[in-house]
Amino acid sequence: AQSVTQLGSHVSVSEGALVLLRCNYSSSVPPYLFWYVQYPNQGLQLLLKYTSAATLVKGINGFEAEFKKSETSFHLTKPSAHMSDAAEYFCAVRRASGTYKYIFGTGTRLKVLA
Amino acid sequence: DAGVIQSPRHEVTEMGQEVTLRCKPISGHDYLFWYRQTMMRGLELLIYFNNNVPIDDSGMPEDRFSAKMPNASFSTLKIQPSEPRDSAVYFCASSPDRPYEQYFGPGTRLTVT
Repeated sequence: AQSVTQLGSHVSVSEGALVLLRCNYSSSVPPYLFWYVQYPNQGLQLLLKYTSAATLVKGINGFEAEFKKSETSFHLTKPSAHMSDAAEYFCAVRRASGTYKYIFGTGTRLKVLA
Repeated sequence: DAGVIQSPRHEVTEMGQEVTLRCKPISGHDYLFWYRQTMMRGLELLIYFNNNVPIDDSGMPEDRFSAKMPNASFSTLKIQPSEPRDSAVYFCASSPDRPYEQYFGPGTRLTVT
């Protein structure tokens, strides 16, 4: 079985500060991992993905994430927060083979303070 | 491409009525997913299709929910009869043959009174 845990349902950072959103996963088989962003009243948009290539993954809007198998983590970071980063962020996992069923975390709402 | 198209964007209905949500996936995508998002339960996968065939419907809450994909460019999610607890935002997403990326529609906000 697979699962995803996002630590912190709400995170606040100052504009220009480091953004760190945490995601830990549980999977009995090699996983694929994803981060999505959702702006108000919109669907989810893919930020980045890990599919067993490089463990440090770069995405859109300056975000990146590192796959750490020993820690079963896939935390999302951005060196300098921008006001436009305020949104809800979801981590997701699916098996690398077999079912294409995705499991999403409960989301972290990021607030950026001026 | 116009992206994933969902209709209606908002639906308000009374308990007991039939509700039909519609989705047009991105052309050429082989996979289609229906999700439900609520504050209490987050984002839940209801069902997904591959080449118009339902593959996994284990997330469908109960028999009141049904989904069809009659062709590669159209899918419906039907709730009959609807109940207030069905109130949620329903998303459709599609992905290409190697579904490492899902493309989400804007969602349908359903309110059942």
